[in-house]
Amino acid sequence: AQTVTQSQPEMSVQEAETVTLSCTYDTSESDYYLFWYKQPPSRQMILVIRQEAYKQQNATENRFSVNFQKAAKSFSLKISDSQLGDAAMYFCAYLYNTDKLIFGTGTRLQVFP
Amino acid sequence: ETGVTQSPTHLIKTRGQQVTLRCSSQSGHNTVSWYQQALGQGPQFIFQYYREEENGRGNFPPRFSGLQFPNYSSELNVNALELDDSALYLCASSTGTPSGYTFGSGTRLTVV
Repeated sequence: AQTVTQSQPEMSVQEAETVTLSCTYDTSESDYYLFWYKQPPSRQMILVIRQEAYKQQNATENRFSVNFQKAAKSFSLKISDSQLGDAAMYFCAYLYNTDKLIFGTGTRLQVFP
Repeated sequence: ETGVTQSPTHLIKTRGQQVTLRCSSQSGHNTVSWYQQALGQGPQFIFQYYREEENGRGNFPPRFSGLQFPNYSSELNVNALELDDSALYLCASSTGTPSGYTFGSGTRLTVV
């Protein structure tokens, strides 16, 4: 069975600094998708970044980038130039084909001015 | 801007009652999934509908049921509510391709 593990329940960062959130997963599949979702107090899950496993190049979206290590089954999120609005819960998620999303337990990110 | 709308936003029910939660997906999104998110946890998959047919189910009892309608709306029904059913229920829709899902803001259900 596929699993997703986020080992950092909480992280904090100073505004304008860089922070990295960790995620590991387990799967026997070779083609799949990995996601980072942000959940602010408004509760809506907002897609931050997506990585397709067959692509070796790490995905980037403005200040957000990932370090995808397929062999190690690791998928970390780097947030550069952190902003106060980045404070939220961050969930790592795995998707195989059009099956269900499997989420980790989340990391609460606090951003200090 | 979200294309997925859920109603109601909050709901309080008594143990043993039945509840219906609603979701309106984006036009063209023929796949809808429902997730249960307990406090402090990640969302857990309940079930998924594709073109009005259930095509996947998580580890939830039969008292959790759903419907998907041709107008891209869907429902989650929970019978015989239990205290542990208290959670945030999220609806997510997609075009059916494995490119990610668009989530609504959820319904916060409290069972007392």
